[in-house]
Amino acid sequence: DIQMTQSPSTLSASVGDRVTITCRASQSISSWLAWYQQKPGKAPKLLIYKASSLESGVPSRFSGSGSGTEFTLTISSLQPDDFATYYCQSLGTFGGGTKVEIK
Amino acid sequence: EVQLVQSGAEVKKPGESLKISCKGSGYSFTSYWIGWVRQMPGKGLEWMGIIYPGDSDTRYSPSFQGQVTISADKSISTAYLQWSSLKASDTAMYYCARRGGPGFCFDYWGQGTLVTVSS
Repeated sequence: DIQMTQSPSTLSASVGDRVTITCRASQSISSWLAWYQQKPGKAPKLLIYKASSLESGVPSRFSGSGSGTEFTLTISSLQPDDFATYYCQSLGTFGGGTKVEIK
Repeated sequence: EVQLVQSGAEVKKPGESLKISCKGSGYSFTSYWIGWVRQMPGKGLEWMGIIYPGDSDTRYSPSFQGQVTISADKSISTAYLQWSSLKASDTAMYYCARRGGPGFCFDYWGQGTLVTVSS
C-alpha cells in the first residue's frame, strides 16, 4: 500500500504569511495527488487535484506543485478563513493532516 | 446541483448491525465512483472503500476489508455502508464522497453521518 506522510503536523502562522505544507508518497504516484481543507464539524473540501490543478471556486492564493513522491501545498498569503486542517490524498490513502493555527 | 445527502446520526450498542446511506442527486449516479471515509473523534481521514454504482464494482482498503460492506442501489441513487457487528471502535463520523474529475479525488462530499457505539 502507498503511504502518504504530511509535514508538519501542526503549523502556527499569522495572517499574510506564506505557508507551505509537504506531502510525501512512499512510492511514485505520478501527479495523482489531491489536497483538501477541513474545518471543524464540516466535510472536507477539495482544493487541488492532479497535484497542481485548482478546483473551481478555490481562491488563487492556493497552489499545488510536485510529482512522483514529493508534493507541496502553498498558501501565498494566509487569510483568516484559511485556519483549518489540510489533507493530501492519493488513490486509496490520505495523509495524516496538517493543522494550520493562528500564531 | 450535485448533492450527496447522508442518513442521520445513529446510536448503537456493541454487537448490533447498522446500515447508513448516501443519496446522490444532480448528476448521473451510475457514472461516478462513490467512496466512504472514516474520521474517528479528533483524528484524520481514512479511506475505507469505493463502489461504482453502474456495475457495483467495489474496492476496499486492506484496513477495512472484511470489517464493513459497501453496496449501492442504482435504482434509487443510493450507496450504503454497513456493519454486521459494531464495536466501540467504530464510533466515528462517516462521510460519503463522489470520485469525480481527473486524479482519483473526491469532488463532492456528503454532510457526514455520526455513528456512536456504546453500551
